[in-house]
Amino acid sequence: KAGVTQTPRYLIKTRGQQVTLSCSPISGHRSVSWYQQTPGQGLQFLFEYFSETQRNKGNFPGRFSGRQFSNSRSEMNVSTLELGDSALYLCASSLDAGGLYNEQFFGPGTRLTVL
Amino acid sequence: AQSVTQPDIHITVSEGASLELRCNYSYGATPYLFWYVQSPGQGLQLLLKYFSGDTLVQGIKGFEAEFKRSQSSFNLRKPSVHWSDAAEYFCAVTRSYNTDKLIFGTGTRLQVFP
Repeated sequence: KAGVTQTPRYLIKTRGQQVTLSCSPISGHRSVSWYQQTPGQGLQFLFEYFSETQRNKGNFPGRFSGRQFSNSRSEMNVSTLELGDSALYLCASSLDAGGLYNEQFFGPGTRLTVL
Repeated sequence: AQSVTQPDIHITVSEGASLELRCNYSYGATPYLFWYVQSPGQGLQLLLKYFSGDTLVQGIKGFEAEFKRSQSSFNLRKPSVHWSDAAEYFCAVTRSYNTDKLIFGTGTRLQVFP
């Protein structure tokens, strides 16, 4: 069974640009979550999508947005990039079976560098 | 607010030595607790999780963790460390029945000397 895949793996952008990152969950998984990892702030929850609807949202500005498609694939978009957006963006998918049986599986991440 | 504290930023042990990584959480209700490991350039891999029941949980790669409600702790242990265990370890908490919004600690980087 293929794991969570994220594309691209590495990305370099300049301030002011926008970027779109993609995440393909494990087959059959319906929930996709996004996290930002930086040396200063650590791992922070961005948002979670289930059945094409945003179900949870972290404390990030509106420049960060996402969506989920009917096949559960998800994209996140960051507009008007700032230097502080440089980070590893991790995607995780889960079955969303609830409680005890739910487990998030993480992808390798997309390394975004903003110059 | 939920929070997780990992007091040790960096730990160094010799191969074959025992290991304990500390994790303290702050949470009003019954927490769901996790330990993840991240190798360089990789995503996170789940080592173990605690939801309820037996307070000593076994995980993969020979790791175990003990939930102590009175101390709000969920420390990770391994009796004998291998060089391949060198990585960063993250403790995380989430609320019951919604395990897709994980609150992570700042991580502990483990270095293993031969």
